[in-house]
This record gives sequence, C-alpha cells and structure tokens, in this order.
Amino acid sequence: AQTVTQSQPEMSVQEAETVTLSCTYDTSESDYYLFWYKQPPSRQMILVIRQEAYKQQNATENRFSVNFQKAAKSFSLKISDSQLGDAAMYFCAYRATQGGSEKLVFGKGTKLTVNP
Amino acid sequence: DTGVSQDPRHKITKRGQNVTFRCDPISEHNRLYWYRQTLGQGPEFLTYFQNEAQLEKSRLLSDRFSAERPKGSFSTLEIQRTEQGDSAMYLCASSRGTSGTDEQYFGPGTRLTVT
Repeated sequence: AQTVTQSQPEMSVQEAETVTLSCTYDTSESDYYLFWYKQPPSRQMILVIRQEAYKQQNATENRFSVNFQKAAKSFSLKISDSQLGDAAMYFCAYRATQGGSEKLVFGKGTKLTVNP
Repeated sequence: DTGVSQDPRHKITKRGQNVTFRCDPISEHNRLYWYRQTLGQGPEFLTYFQNEAQLEKSRLLSDRFSAERPKGSFSTLEIQRTEQGDSAMYLCASSRGTSGTDEQYFGPGTRLTVT
C-alpha cells in the first residue's frame, strides 16, 4: 500500500522568508500524481500545487514550487516570500494512476506558522 | 460555481444514534469522494462515486457506514449505531473526472462528536 510521510509536524517562518516542507512517499508504481493541499484554520482544504511523476520538470505556482526527486521518492514544497495568509496545515498527497483507484493518500500534515 | 457544500457543519449525537450527512458537489462534477479526518491526522479515504455508481470503498467503511448518490448529484453518508471512535471531521470532495490530475475540491466538512 502506498504511504505518505511528512516528518515535520510543525514549522515556522518569518514573513517574507522562504520555507521548505518535506514529504516522502512509498510506492511501487512508476507513474502517479503528487499534490500539496493547504488547510487554513477552520476553512476548507484547497490545492496548492500538483506534479505528474512522469514529468521531470518541477511544478511551480507563483510563490510555491516543488522539488520532486523521483528516485528518492521525495516531494518537498518551497514557499517563497512567505505571507501571513500562508499559515495553515499543509498536506502532501499521493494518487495512483493505475488500478482505477481514485483516492488521495494523505500524510499527517505540517502546521506552518508565519511570524510577522 | 458555488463550491462543495456540506450539511450540517456540526453534529453532536449520543452513542448508538444514527446520523446522516449530506454533500452537494460542484455542479457537473462526475466524481464525489468522502474522507474522514481525525485530530492530528490527514484525511483518510472512505469511498467515491462516479456519477451514481459507488466504485471504491475503503476497509475503514464498516458495515455501519453507508453512502449513496442516488441521482448522481448530491450524496449522503449515514452512520448507524454511532460509536465514540466515529468522532471526526467528515470531508466531501468532488472533481470533474476527466483527467488524472483533476483537482479534488473539498467542502468545509461536517464535524461529528459522539458523546
């Protein structure tokens, strides 16, 4: 079974600084999708960024970028120029492409605090 | 596009009672998912629908749990004979179902407390 591990339960960053959140996963598949979701306090979860495993180029969305290391099964999220509104729980998620499974497998999350 | 809505937002029930939650997906989204999130954990998959067909169920979905999507639009999740271990946030999500990287849009969740 696929598993997703987020080894940092909590992280903090100063406003305008850069922070990197770690994620590793375990799978025997060669093709899959990876996602980072953000869950602000008492608000619904929203997608931050996604990566297709067959694409070598790291995905970027404005201040958010990933470092995808397929051989190491690592998928870290870098937030540049951190803003107060970035404070939230961040979840790394995996989705298989084969076998028909549509489910997202989530890590336990990293709580990000942004200090002014 | 009004987003995914869930009702109720909060539910407090006594052990042994039945509860039912409703999820309204984004219109024209073919796929609908249910997840459960307990404190300090990431969401865990429960089940998903392609239109009205329930295509996958997790082993977490015991026989006390049942989900339906009768007309391929809204969905209900019922828990019978609730237990304290059922206390959690129940999240619903929907997606277009046209691509593997389709974004799953999440609702605000229903927080269940079993006393």
